Amino acid sequence: NAGVMQNPRHLVRRRGQEARLRCSPMKGHSHVYWYRQLPEEGLKFMVYLQKENIIDESGMPKERFSAEFPKEGPSILRIQQVVRGDSAAYFCASSPLMENTEAFFGQGTRLTVV
Amino acid sequence: DQQVKQNSPSLSVQEGRISILNCDYTNSMFDYFLWYKKYPAEGPTFLISISSIKDKNEDGRFTVFLNKSAKHLSLHIVPSQPGDSAVYFCASSGSARQLTFGSGTQLTVLP
Repeated sequence: NAGVMQNPRHLVRRRGQEARLRCSPMKGHSHVYWYRQLPEEGLKFMVYLQKENIIDESGMPKERFSAEFPKEGPSILRIQQVVRGDSAAYFCASSPLMENTEAFFGQGTRLTVV
Repeated sequence: DQQVKQNSPSLSVQEGRISILNCDYTNSMFDYFLWYKKYPAEGPTFLISISSIKDKNEDGRFTVFLNKSAKHLSLHIVPSQPGDSAVYFCASSGSARQLTFGSGTQLTVLP
């Protein structure tokens, strides 16, 4: 029973390029969350998705960032025209349908913008 | 506006003794609280949780205490082991399912 799978583990992009981060939730989990961790900080919520729906994107920057969770395939966090300040660890988590249950995290994608 | 605060960035404890990690929250709508453990270059791993209808939950060496009136929770690890050395995050959720995290406490258990 595989856990939450994120790829790539490490991603290097030049300023202005696009970054695509992928997340496959645990089997049977229908809720996906993306978090960002800047150096020396805690994890900050970005976006919450269910299949084909964005439920809450209140933590995501209004520009350059987008997320999707299609009917088939992984969830994608897309960052267009990356800047140095986007360098961070991006974590995906998934949880099952019921409320008040823990979310399971992937190992993260470490994005470095050079 | 930090809704979940961990005021101690680091804590050192001798092996075999008790580790107590603290967390305060400000949002009275939070009703579910969790502790996660994180090693470098890995994702957070769930440790233990507590619902707001309880004041204590225990799982092996880990116990979480919740004081709703003080908006305070703590994680007790006893006895502490060197393998417990990691960053510990407390997290909270309410009607919104997403988690709000504290900034973490680096626990070092000295052999």
